Amino acid sequence: GAVVSQHPSRVICKSGTSVKIECRSLDFQATTMFWYRQFPKQSLMLMATSNEGSKATYEQGVEKDKFLINHASLTLSTLTVTSAHPEDSSFYICSARDTGGSGANVLTFGAGSRLTVL
Amino acid sequence: GNSVTQMEGPVTLSEEAFLTINCTYTATGYPSLFWYVQYPGEGLQLLLKATKADDKGSNKGFEATYRKETTSFHLEKGSVQVSDSAVYFCALSSSGTSYGKLTFGQGTILTVHP
Repeated sequence: GAVVSQHPSRVICKSGTSVKIECRSLDFQATTMFWYRQFPKQSLMLMATSNEGSKATYEQGVEKDKFLINHASLTLSTLTVTSAHPEDSSFYICSARDTGGSGANVLTFGAGSRLTVL
Repeated sequence: GNSVTQMEGPVTLSEEAFLTINCTYTATGYPSLFWYVQYPGEGLQLLLKATKADDKGSNKGFEATYRKETTSFHLEKGSVQVSDSAVYFCALSSSGTSYGKLTFGQGTILTVHP
């Protein structure tokens, strides 16, 4: 089946540094990927839609300069948390839709990346 | 806007007990409805889905029926197993919106004891 890999699975960084999280579709191409954020004991909140070859579409309230998204190829999207602060600590999850898939609204999710900012 | 409300957990059951996790939604138009499951250390996996009213999604013994009149999509299983212990998310995707934009409920932690 379709597999989405996220890396790193865990990262700890100092306040003020930038962190990059990768989301790869391993066995399919994805023109569109989605980035979610999950707070402890809360639901997943959509942050942005990543479009291959074009700018990402951010949800209301998400700072685009804070959360840089690049989707340079059909199998890779990256999320960079710039100048991270403790309040950015969270679980970040990506999902991807198989461009060639026929299923309606079926997404493949990565296992998530836990960011801790000290 | 769209919203999904799930029953609060955690839910703790004994093996072979009956499971119900309630889910209600608010959405415009005719959304598609989903249940996702997240096992420890893994990504979300689609458990089942329903795309129109009165559809029943089913998988691995789990079932949920799309009830438009009550705006609900409750998850049920007749006999749970220890391996069903996970976090369950109800979600919807509105018709007419960008494909794949999901609105999730807050998740329900299920623990099944032997």
